[in-house]
Parts: sequence; C-alpha cells; structure tokens
Amino acid sequence: EDQVTQSPEALRLQEGESSSLNCSYTVSGLRGLFWYRQDPGKGPEFLFTLYSAGEEKEKERLKATLTKKESFLHITAPKPEDSATYLCAVRSPISSGSARQLTFGSGTQLTVLP
Amino acid sequence: DTEVTQTPKHLVMGMTNKKSLKCEQHMGHRAMYWYKQKAKKPPELMFVYSYEKLSINESVPSRFSPECPNSSLLNLHLHALQPEDSALYLCASSLGTVTSTDTQYFGPGTRLTVL
Repeated sequence: EDQVTQSPEALRLQEGESSSLNCSYTVSGLRGLFWYRQDPGKGPEFLFTLYSAGEEKEKERLKATLTKKESFLHITAPKPEDSATYLCAVRSPISSGSARQLTFGSGTQLTVLP
Repeated sequence: DTEVTQTPKHLVMGMTNKKSLKCEQHMGHRAMYWYKQKAKKPPELMFVYSYEKLSINESVPSRFSPECPNSSLLNLHLHALQPEDSALYLCASSLGTVTSTDTQYFGPGTRLTVL
C-alpha cells in the first residue's frame, strides 16, 4: 500500500526565513510526485510534478526536489502570502480500472509571519 | 488555461433534500474526479470518470450519485445525506488516464453543510 508522510505538520516562519518541507513516500513504481498548495476553504492549486530521482523544479520562491525516498519543498525568503497548507501526493499504477489514483500526505500547514 | 469550475460555492441542505453539485472543465481533459475533504485532512477520492465512463467508485454510499453527461461536465447528485457528509467537495480533471504525464487540476470546491 502506498504511503506518504509529510513533516512537519505545522511550521511557523518569520518573513525571509528560508526552510524546507519534507514528503517521505513508499510506493511501488512511482508514476509522479505532486506538490499542491491549498488555502483555507479552497481547492488545491497545482505547483509541481516530479517523476525521477534527481529532478528539480522551481517557481518563484519555491523549489521542489526528488530522491528515491522523499521530496523536499524548499521555500526561499518566504512572504506572508506563502502561508497555506502544502500537500504532497504520489501516483502509482493500480491493479484495477484505467485511472491512476493519487495518495495524499496529510499536509504541512505553513504560516509566515510579517 | 487550467481552470476547473464548480457550482455552487456553498450549499446548505436538509437530510431529506435532493441537490446536485456541478463541475466543468474546457481543457479537453478526459478524466474527471470527485473528492471529499474534511477539515485539516487531505482529499479522499470518491469517484473517477475516464472517457465519460465510471472507472472507480471508492465504496461511496449510494446517497452520492455521480453523472458525467459529456467530457466537459461532471455532476454529483446528493440525496438523503447525513450531517457527517458535511465537507468540502472537490472536482478535479486530468488530460488522460493512461499516460504518466497527467496532472490533476482541482476546482475551488463546494462547501456542503448538511443540517
């Protein structure tokens, strides 16, 4: 069974204080690792997709990296508007049906203080 | 454009009511999904439609009835719901279901309250 564990559960940063969020996964045959940002009461907003170990992607203050066991979301010089819950999800082949499912982690709630 | 729209944004219903949630995308995606999300929990998959056919039903109670009238529309019909069904209902879509490049794009969600 696929498992995704995110840490920490919650993180409070001062504006400009860089840090990293962790997503550890156990999956048979990774078919993609996804990072989403979710604001309260809103749907998840897609950030990045990573497919193979060593892959990195960047968007503004965010950088996602992938190894064979975990992914990191690095936040450089965060701003208060970066406050949100960050969700990690993995996709693997399934044994039935034609669709691929996502297994989500529980998320990291990030608060950036001004 | 990666927009998935959902209506209504908020819905309050009694346990005897019948209501429907609507989801729409015009990205040419052929897979559409319904998720349920409780507060401070990740989304839970309910249904998957692939090329307008129901592909996955995650053992969802029959009081939830999905419908995919065409490749751009997805409905979720609700009947005789329970207060514990109150949650954020999310729709998502992806380009296809047989390639490894399909990212799921989510809509803004419908906040459902069952009284």
